[in-house]
Amino acid sequence: DAGVIQSPRHEVTEMGQEVTLRCKPISGHDYLFWYRQTMMRGLELLIYFNNNVPIDDSGMPEDRFSAKMPNASFSTLKIQPSEPRDSAVYFCASRHGGATGELFFGEGSRLTVL
Amino acid sequence: GESVGLHLPTLSVQEGDNSIINCAYSNSASDYFIWYKQESGKGPQFIIDIRSNMDKRQGQRVTVLLNKTVKHLSLQIAATQPGDSAVYFCAEHRRGGGADGLTFGKGTHLIIQP
Repeated sequence: DAGVIQSPRHEVTEMGQEVTLRCKPISGHDYLFWYRQTMMRGLELLIYFNNNVPIDDSGMPEDRFSAKMPNASFSTLKIQPSEPRDSAVYFCASRHGGATGELFFGEGSRLTVL
Repeated sequence: GESVGLHLPTLSVQEGDNSIINCAYSNSASDYFIWYKQESGKGPQFIIDIRSNMDKRQGQRVTVLLNKTVKHLSLQIAATQPGDSAVYFCAEHRRGGGADGLTFGKGTHLIIQP
């Protein structure tokens, strides 16, 4: 299996622009998570899905952030409009329902908002 | 790497020596603990886990110790190799926390000196 695939790996954009990050989870995994990582706050859970349904989005910082999972093999995290404080590495992770802690992470999307 | 920053504690050891990385957790209701390794430019990778009803678990070159009395977790890496250089995160799972019950620590940067 190719693992969790994220794109783009790097994104540089200007404040106010829309940013869309994409994720393909591992086939057969029914949980998908979006995390944000910064030096100051570490790894923060933004939202997670179970069987394509959003279960908990309490970690989403503001209404500017939205996430969708239209099918079992694809999810997006969108920021509109983006702000410099959104600069971070965004990770997507997936896991099988029976494995509580073993998350499989993608390589991340590094976002820089100027 | 994206997760390494000035604020991360750093542990430097000579190649071939053993290393011990420590982690304090806060929630006495946590039922499951996990160690992740994050290499520069990559996502976190599962290393080993331990349930709260255990106090020690061994893997290949790694051992995790759990002291529930003082809420302390440690990761021991034997005969360190250059490839062990990374940031190591502990994570705790809250009993009843559901799928999103993982809380990650800030991480420790392990440097292997040649």
